[in-house]
Amino acid sequence: QQQVKQSPQSLIVQKGGISIINCAYENTAFDYFPWYQQFPGKGPALLIAIRPDVSEKKEGRFTISFNKSAKQFSLHIMDSQPGDSATYFCAAIRDGTASKLTFGTGTRLQVTL
Amino acid sequence: DTGVSQNPRHKITKRGQNVTFRCDPISEHNRLYWYRQTLGQGPEFLTYFQNEAQLEKSRLLSDRFSAERPKGSFSTLEIQRTEQGDSAMYLCASSVRQGPFSNTGELFFGEGSRLTVL
Repeated sequence: QQQVKQSPQSLIVQKGGISIINCAYENTAFDYFPWYQQFPGKGPALLIAIRPDVSEKKEGRFTISFNKSAKQFSLHIMDSQPGDSATYFCAAIRDGTASKLTFGTGTRLQVTL
Repeated sequence: DTGVSQNPRHKITKRGQNVTFRCDPISEHNRLYWYRQTLGQGPEFLTYFQNEAQLEKSRLLSDRFSAERPKGSFSTLEIQRTEQGDSAMYLCASSVRQGPFSNTGELFFGEGSRLTVL
C-alpha cells in the first residue's frame, strides 16, 4: 500500500531553472511532511519539512507548498544548481509513531549546465 | 565523524548464507531504525528501537530477519538463509526522542550496507 505518491520519477532542469516535485498522501492522520535529499552512495538527509498548519515554508532556495484539502505537497527548488543533482524523497509521518516515516518513491533530479 | 556508521558497506553473499550488518548510531540518540531501500524506491521501515527495546517491527521483517540493540548502543541486523529478494540497501538511522507527542521526522541516516545475494 503506497501511502505517499511522488512524481515525476525523474526530472532534468537547466541550471538556474525551477525544479518542482510533487507528492500526494492518503492518510489524513499524517501531520508532518519532511523532504529528504540523497546523493549516490549516501544515506538520505533531511532537507526541509512542513506541518499542515502552514501552507508554505521556505528555506533558502527550497520551498515546500502544502495543500491540506487536496492532500498534496510539493518541493520547489529555485535557481537550481548542478550540486542539487540528487534523488529527492518526500515523506510523511503521523504524530505518535516514533518517527516511522513513510517515504515516496523518489525523484531523480539532474541539473544541467 | 560523529554520524551514523554502518558496516560493512558492501556485502556479496550466496543464497542461503547468513549475513550480519552493524550500525553505530549517533551517541546521544536513543532511537535507532532499520530501513530497507531497493533500487528506484524510497526507504521502507523495517524496525526500530527505543534504547535497547525493540518496539515495532514491520511485516516486511520475516522470521529470517532479526535485529538487536544490546545495551541500547550499537545494533545488528542479521538475515538468515538469504534469498535473492533480500538484495537491497539496508539503512540505519537514529534520532532523539523529544517527547511523547513530538515528531520532528528528522532521522539521521548512515550510508547504508548494500547486500547482493547471488
